[in-house]
Amino acid sequence: DTGVSQNPRHKITKRGQNVTFRCDPISEHNRLYWYRQTLGQGPEFLTYFQNEAQLEKSRLLSDRFSAERPKGSFSTLEIQRTEQGDSAMYLCASSAHTGGIRGTEAFFGQGTRLTVV
Amino acid sequence: GENVEQHPSTLSVQEGDSAVIKCTYSDSASNYFPWYKQELGKGPQLIIDIRSNVGEKKDQRIAVTLNKTAKHFSLHITETQPEDSAVYFCAPTSGTYKYIFGTGTRLKVLA
Repeated sequence: DTGVSQNPRHKITKRGQNVTFRCDPISEHNRLYWYRQTLGQGPEFLTYFQNEAQLEKSRLLSDRFSAERPKGSFSTLEIQRTEQGDSAMYLCASSAHTGGIRGTEAFFGQGTRLTVV
Repeated sequence: GENVEQHPSTLSVQEGDSAVIKCTYSDSASNYFPWYKQELGKGPQLIIDIRSNVGEKKDQRIAVTLNKTAKHFSLHITETQPEDSAVYFCAPTSGTYKYIFGTGTRLKVLA
């Protein structure tokens, strides 16, 4: 396994179009996270899954955003009716959560850079 | 909610000198304390981490120290090299929720 994989690496779209990004986590990692990062800022949490269950969504995740992880493996993040403010790097991470309150390592993919024109 | 701050926001050091970045957090439930390095156009890369039952951890030129009472932990880089130039983020967490990233520190190592 070579780590977290994200596709595409870059996406340019016109305002109003829908886009979908894919994330393949490290095998057997049960947690998967989506973050958004704009220039000069730290990654901002969007949502995360434990297996196929979406456990938390940020207020940043408007109704135009939807994420799925149908079989507890790969995940998709869809943005409908894109706006220029959606331009950012979208990062995916995965971790192997063993239960309880103990934090574990999270590994990030290289991200998908979205540009809305 | 969780509040995470890093200081300084930018740091310039001469090659071979040491660099220290501090991260303060507010949530006393945090028990896992990682540091990430992010190079331009790439995703964050985990470089070192520490758990709440340990005060210090070292891996070659990098080390992390934790003061859980004061709620801060620090990244130490010794003998800095130009390839250490990047943005560094802390992201304290517990197992019950997501990673909250700090504001980032841009490190420049001058040759």
